[in-house]
Amino acid sequence: GQQVMQIPQYQHVQEGEDFTTYCNSSTTLSNIQWYKQRPGGHPVFLIQLVKSGEVKKQKRLTFQFGEAKKNSSLHITATQTTDVGTYFCAYPRGSSNTGKLIFGQGTTLQVKP
Amino acid sequence: NAGVMQNPRHLVRRRGQEARLRCSPMKGHSHVYWYRQLPEEGLKFMVYLQKENIIDESGMPKERFSAEFPKEGPSILRIQQVVRGDSAAYFCASSPRPGSTDTQYFGPGTRLTVL
Repeated sequence: GQQVMQIPQYQHVQEGEDFTTYCNSSTTLSNIQWYKQRPGGHPVFLIQLVKSGEVKKQKRLTFQFGEAKKNSSLHITATQTTDVGTYFCAYPRGSSNTGKLIFGQGTTLQVKP
Repeated sequence: NAGVMQNPRHLVRRRGQEARLRCSPMKGHSHVYWYRQLPEEGLKFMVYLQKENIIDESGMPKERFSAEFPKEGPSILRIQQVVRGDSAAYFCASSPRPGSTDTQYFGPGTRLTVL
């Protein structure tokens, strides 16, 4: 069945370095969403990508959706300690009127000051 | 506009007891989703409800787990005869519409610990 793999599982960077997490699906996705979860916190919606080849930016964060809509990436430029947390990709599964999300395993980012 | 509210935030139960987790969606949202997050893992979909209806419970364990979203009041996730493996964070999310492109807003979660 449809599944998504997220890599890497963990990433440790020095403050100021860049960070990228990847989400790869075995099948085409209708859209993909990204969430951030701080340690001990809850998932917070970051962005949704819908179109093939779409690129969106939020300050230091750049989100991409592949041309085949099977992969996506989140890139953070010049990480800061406030970027610490786990980043999840998620996609909707099931009929179009359910909206239930399937989450990737997440990438946990640690930033050393 | 208050966000999604969940209570209790932390719940401790002994094996065999019942756990009741409550979720009040955002104002104006009538679609509620429950997810479970085991330690060091991602979120797993459990159930999707609209007012008075269970729409999709494909992620719910077959036994001991039930959910409801009554006409009045919060959505309830109920776990009977809890076991240690039920220890996890349970998150509720709500959305104004059920569509696959609509954002889901997550509550702070209930951290369940089974002793």
